Formats: sequence, structure tokens, C-alpha cells
Amino acid sequence: QQPVQSPQAVILREGEDAVINCSSSKALYSVHWYRQKHGEAPVFLMILLKGGEQKGHDKISASFNEKKQQSSLYLTASQLSYSGTYFCGTEQATDKLIFGTGTRLQVFP
Amino acid sequence: GAGVSQSPSNKVTEKGKDVELRCDPISGHTALYWYRQSLGQGLEFLIYFQGNSAPDKSGLPSDRFSAERTGGSVSTLTIQRTQQEDSAVYLCASRRDRRNYGYTFGSGTRLTVV
Repeated sequence: QQPVQSPQAVILREGEDAVINCSSSKALYSVHWYRQKHGEAPVFLMILLKGGEQKGHDKISASFNEKKQQSSLYLTASQLSYSGTYFCGTEQATDKLIFGTGTRLQVFP
Repeated sequence: GAGVSQSPSNKVTEKGKDVELRCDPISGHTALYWYRQSLGQGLEFLIYFQGNSAPDKSGLPSDRFSAERTGGSVSTLTIQRTQQEDSAVYLCASRRDRRNYGYTFGSGTRLTVV
């Protein structure tokens, strides 16, 4: 039931792009993305509702393929502040999130 | 308040003791969630409250864990007869509405059972 994220870890130089994937075996109502920095609480990035929409703000965007129950998070022109662990959270008919395994992203100068 | 408030921020307890963790959600948020995060791991769902509905307790790992939410606001997570495997960060989150809103997490309570 837990969604699977890939890759497990990403190392980038500033300015490089990255894609993080989230895959579920269940029919989904929505997908959330969160970023957690070391020692801090997760911070909400965006929500994607079923319907295959793509959302984004600044240089971070995401898509949701409802048929495949997959979501991808796109980080373009990465900044040092993007470093952290990214979690997707999937929501089915029940109003609770099941979080993925996490992807650790490190951005170096 | 402006954010989700959790207390205490840190708790060290002896094995076998009971502990209570408190969460004060954002005013007006009807949904409240508890998650647990072990060191270097992901977020494990524990329990969910929505308004006056019966809570979803499907994530509680054993009958030593219980939670209540009084007056649709403050929630308390109680762990009885704590074990070393209960050591983790316990995170509370609240949400205003199902659509278009994400969770706002509190800073968590780091529980250490010695």
C-alpha cells in the first residue's frame, strides 16, 4: 500500500535538474509532495488531484498520471535550498495520506 | 495559533512508563493526523480525526497506543508501558479541507525510551 519512490537518493550541482517519481498500486484520489530538511517537520509543496493535472510554482512542478497511478516531481535549475528529503503522499478514498519511502536530494555548489 | 503546536518537544522516559503527547492544531482545521517517524525513515500513519466522526485508528501499532481529540481541537496521543521500539519523532498535522490543501505539520515530539 505504501507508494514507491525512485530514486532513493540524488546528488546534484547547483543549476542541474532532477526528477523524483512516485508510484502506487492503488487507485488514487490525490498525490501530495512534501520536503523535509534535517531535523525539521515536512513542509507541503503541492497537491495534485485526480484528473492528470500538472501544477507548479517557481522552478518546482509536478504531474499526476491517473491511469498509471504515478506522479513525478520536477526540480529545475536546482538551488542549495532544495536539499532535503522529498516525500510523496498518496490519498485514496479515505482522507489520509500514506507516505512514500522518501528521496534524499543533495545540492552542492 | 499560526501553526500546529506540539508539546513537549523532547521526552525521555523509562521503559514501562506511560507518556502523553499533545497537539494543538491550527484553528478551524477540522482534520488532525498523527504520524510517527523513526530515525532516517519515512512517515508512518497512526490515527486520523475528522470533525465529529469516529477516528480512523487503523495505523496504531498496538493497543498500548491510544489518542483522543477533545472539543474538535486539541489532541493527545498516549503510549502506555513504553518500549524501546517506541522511540521516534511523533508528528501531528492538521488540514482545513480535503481538496486543494496540504497538511501543516507541527515540529514534532522526539520520544526516547531508555
